[in-house]
Amino acid sequence: DAGVTQSPTHLIKTRGQQVTLRCSPKSGHDTVSWYQQALGQGPQFIFQYYEEEERQRGNFPDRFSGHQFPNYSSELNVNALLLGDSALYLCASSSIYRGYNSPLHFGNGTRLTVT
Amino acid sequence: GIQVEQSPPDLILQEGANSTLRCNFSDSVNNLQWFHQNPWGQLINLFYIPSGTKQNGRLSATTVATERYSLLYISSSQTTDSGVYFCAVSAGNMLTFGGGTRLMVKP
Repeated sequence: DAGVTQSPTHLIKTRGQQVTLRCSPKSGHDTVSWYQQALGQGPQFIFQYYEEEERQRGNFPDRFSGHQFPNYSSELNVNALLLGDSALYLCASSSIYRGYNSPLHFGNGTRLTVT
Repeated sequence: GIQVEQSPPDLILQEGANSTLRCNFSDSVNNLQWFHQNPWGQLINLFYIPSGTKQNGRLSATTVATERYSLLYISSSQTTDSGVYFCAVSAGNMLTFGGGTRLMVKP
C-alpha cells in the first residue's frame, strides 16, 4: 500500500520563474493538503483540495495555486518565485469523515531552492 | 486561529533516559497529531490523539482536551529518537503546527 508520494524530491529555480510540484495521495484518501516548511519552523498550511475544489486556504498570496485531478492527485503551482519561497513543500492526504479530516499522512516533501 | 505552543524547545538526553514533551493549544480541537521529523525532513505519524491515552512501544501520548494540552512520553530513549517532534491540531480542516521540540539523544 503506497503512502503519499511527491515529486520531484529536489528542485532549483531562479527568481521570477514558475514551478509545479506533484503529489499522489495514500490509497483510499480523497483529500490533499499542501504545507510550506521554512528552515527551522513548523509547517504552514497553504491550502486543501477535496472533490477537485479548493476547500480551505491559509495565508498565502495568489501566486500559490493548486489543482486536484479526478484520481485525487494534486499539483501545487507557484508563480513569480521569490527567494523567500525556498522551503520544504509537504503534501498530506486524508479522507473526509463527518465533515472533518481523518489523520493526515505526509509525503517526504519537495525541497525547493530559489536562487 | 488556534495557537499551539510546545515545550521545551530543545532537549538533550543521554541514551536510556525518559522525557516528556508538552503541547498546549488555545481552543477546542477535533484533531491532534504528534509527528517526528527526521533529519531528512520526513514527517512520521506517531499518534492521532484528540483525546485520551495511547501507547506504541516506548512512546505514549495523553491528551486532556478539556484542559487543552497533550503530552508525549518517550521512555528508554535511543539515538534514533533524535529529531524534531511536532504537535499539530485542528478545529476543522487545517492543521496548525507548534514550533516543535528539537530532541538530541547522545550515546
